[in-house]
Amino acid sequence: ETGVTQTPRHLVMGMTNKKSLKCEQHLGHNAMYWYKQSAKKPLELMFVYNFKEQTENNSVPSRFSPECPNSSHLFLHLHTLQPEDSALYLCASSHFGQGRWNEQFFGPGTRLTVL
Amino acid sequence: RKEVEQDPGPFNVPEGATVAFNCTYSNSASQSFFWYRQDCRKEPKLLMSVYSSGNEDGRFTAQLNRASQYISLLIRDSKLSDSATYLCVVFAGGGNTGKLIFGQGTTLQVKP
Repeated sequence: ETGVTQTPRHLVMGMTNKKSLKCEQHLGHNAMYWYKQSAKKPLELMFVYNFKEQTENNSVPSRFSPECPNSSHLFLHLHTLQPEDSALYLCASSHFGQGRWNEQFFGPGTRLTVL
Repeated sequence: RKEVEQDPGPFNVPEGATVAFNCTYSNSASQSFFWYRQDCRKEPKLLMSVYSSGNEDGRFTAQLNRASQYISLLIRDSKLSDSATYLCVVFAGGGNTGKLIFGQGTTLQVKP
């Protein structure tokens, strides 16, 4: 596997379900990100982890819970979501602390539908 | 005012045409700038980074005007495969609190 991978690629869930999105990066990066992309809207940053520490929580509702066990893996735990949470969830990674650290590389995304 | 503003288009151009997109940003302290390309239902992919006044890569040229706070992307000799949405992205902040701010994107359709 190369680059940034995400699973599952598609997810349909009810409002009472609990599910998790997984992201793995194989680029040797030390920063990872969750973004949300809704139709006709710009990408919205949700969470940032640098060296496994959360450094940004962009006013995300608590029904989204991130977890970063190491610098290669990132999870997004979902519970009691709302239909308006349906979107494409993208994971990205980058180097932190080097000159070009803000170049981010994205995974293919998980397309989430909440019924 | 949006932090990063782009004309959503669509820009419809014939093959071989030259097309330019502009993007304006509101934070004068922004430090670095990027153009990403996003195909329909796919993830954004880094097209160009702009750290000084501009950058050129083959048919693509990006220019930065800090005084006027805008970035442009010029595509020469357009190909059908250039059809996509082009995202203007601005990095603002410093230390471990900086983040990327994405524009809404400009859609390009290259016609035969």
